[in-house]
Formats: sequence, structure tokens, C-alpha cells
Amino acid sequence: QQQVKQSPQSLIVQKGGIPIINCAYENTAFDYFPWYQQFPGKGPALLIAIRPDVSEKKEGRFTISFNKSAKQFSLHIMDSQPGDSATYFCAASIGSARQLTFGSGTQLTVLP
Amino acid sequence: ETGVTQTPRHLVMGMTNKKSLKCEQHLGHNAMYWYKQSAKKPLELMFVYSLEERVENNSVPSRFSPECPNSSHLFLHLHTLQPEDSALYLCASSQGQADFYGYTFGSGTRLTVV
Repeated sequence: QQQVKQSPQSLIVQKGGIPIINCAYENTAFDYFPWYQQFPGKGPALLIAIRPDVSEKKEGRFTISFNKSAKQFSLHIMDSQPGDSATYFCAASIGSARQLTFGSGTQLTVLP
Repeated sequence: ETGVTQTPRHLVMGMTNKKSLKCEQHLGHNAMYWYKQSAKKPLELMFVYSLEERVENNSVPSRFSPECPNSSHLFLHLHTLQPEDSALYLCASSQGQADFYGYTFGSGTRLTVV
């Protein structure tokens, strides 16, 4: 009930490509869905987040698409760059509980 | 820096040692967390402190003991660890309930148990 399933585990794209990372959840009480980006030797950093009252959110080259009925959300990275190579984690929380449940992570490699 | 500072960055300890990890947040947040990050596994929540009171312990072994003396500081005391406890230990903080916007993480402590 508390799981967040993330795919793929790893992803390799060419510079300029549009990698897409997908997450699915079961608990309909989740009301906050962030994505975190983690570089080697660093802690995860908040990238972008969405609440279930909207279906899409864009911040720069990063877009979250949210499908409430399917209980799925995804991260799209437009015009990907080698500097975007990192591990990406989706997460979900019930706001009042303030506890994030994380996906297993996707290691993204953007080739020059 | 992200506003959450963890020390040390790296730690190697024997199974009979006692050590402590330290976390300090400068963001005015009122909740702090310990997470364990192992290779190819989801981040595992270990402990949550809200307003200095521990609110959850997800069946973490007693060889891990948290301490939160105030809202800015969090410790993880370690004793008689096992090799499988080797991992990246991440501290995080957050603010509010109605205005919860996720965590701010520190850079972690890379722990190796030998």
C-alpha cells in the first residue's frame, strides 16, 4: 500500500534526447509527489514536485505528468544534457504525515 | 551547502566500535529524519523526529540509536554494527504540515563496517 514503483532502473540517452522516468503508486491518500536528483557523493536534491489537483507541471527543462486515475506520474527531461546524468528518485507522501516513500531510483546517463 | 550538514562524510568502523553520526540543519525546520541508502534499494526511513519527539521507528535494529537534543541537531549512535549496515546514511529536515514541501537532505555519511 505504501510502495512507489519506479522504472526503468537505468536509462541511457543521447544529448538532446527526452528521457522519461515512470512511477506508479497504490495509496490514493498520497497528495504530494516530488522528484529528487542525486549526484554521486551528494544527497538527493528536490527537483520538481506536483500535487494531484494538476495534471502537468513544468520547471525549465523538467516536466512532471500526473495521471490520477491511473495512479501514475512521470518525469520528462527536455533537451537532456550530459550534466543531467544522475540518479532520479520519485517519491510520494501524505502531507499531514510528512513522510516520503521513495521509488528505487533510475540511473540516467546522457551521452555527449 | 544545502543547509543540512552531516559529519563525518566518511566513516570506517569495526564491528565492536561505537561511533556517532551528526546532523545539523540551519533552515529553521521542525522535523528531522534519518534515511539509509543502500545500492539498488529504495531509500529506507529509519527515524523521524518532529518537534524533538521521535514519532516513528521502522523496526530498526537496536544497534542504531537516535538522539535529537533540539530542533537543529540530530545524532545517530552506532554500536556493534554488522557488515550489512555499510551504506550511505542521509539526514533530512522538513517544515510544517500544511506547508510540507518535501525534504532537504544533507550530503550523507558513507559508512563502511569492517
